[in-house]
Amino acid sequence: GQNIDQPTEMTATEGAIVQINCTYQTSGFNGLFWYQQHAGEAPTFLSYNVLDGLEEKGRFSSFLSRSKGYSYLLLKELQMKDSASYLCAVADSNYQLIWGAGTKLIIKP
Amino acid sequence: SQTIHQWPATLVQPVGSPLSLECTVEGTSNPNLYWYRQAAGRGLQLLFYSVGIGQISSEVPQNLSASRPQDRQFILSSKKLLLSDSGFYLCAWSVKDAHTGELFFGEGSRLTVL
Repeated sequence: GQNIDQPTEMTATEGAIVQINCTYQTSGFNGLFWYQQHAGEAPTFLSYNVLDGLEEKGRFSSFLSRSKGYSYLLLKELQMKDSASYLCAVADSNYQLIWGAGTKLIIKP
Repeated sequence: SQTIHQWPATLVQPVGSPLSLECTVEGTSNPNLYWYRQAAGRGLQLLFYSVGIGQISSEVPQNLSASRPQDRQFILSSKKLLLSDSGFYLCAWSVKDAHTGELFFGEGSRLTVL
């Protein structure tokens, strides 16, 4: 079956760095997405990786290793507004997105 | 620029009552359209997707249905709601044949069935 695993919840301190991991097992691979979702709101796109390596976008970076079925989202210089759930999703061989349950990130001052 | 709207934002319905959630996209044509449900602590579950007017694919057998009467309109319906239909419903669109398949989500509709 297809499966996306990510931690349920993480806690970090304002100004620090946090890494959210995602492992996947899917039928085919056509890219991995990270979305941010604040409580009660819709998900918003953060990043897309289809090749191995690190993609950097401001304070956020996303890494992919296709051979390991592994990705992480790295958030630097954490701000209180970064408190949200972070969703990992993989596009399978049919370009359908398979979603993880999300990681709730709690930022403490 | 493209926008997507869905409504109502929240609704409380009794078991057995009908449901209609609407979603419209502006600023683009011939999009792929999706209905997702998000239950607490679980990943997004794809309910329906559509690649064109009148073309609906169902991913999960259930008492819900979807329709696409116009190119940029997507409707989620039920004739009789169940308690298990409670959840956060999200409409989304993507560019057809896009390289990345990025999804753009509506604001969401929170349904509570009592």
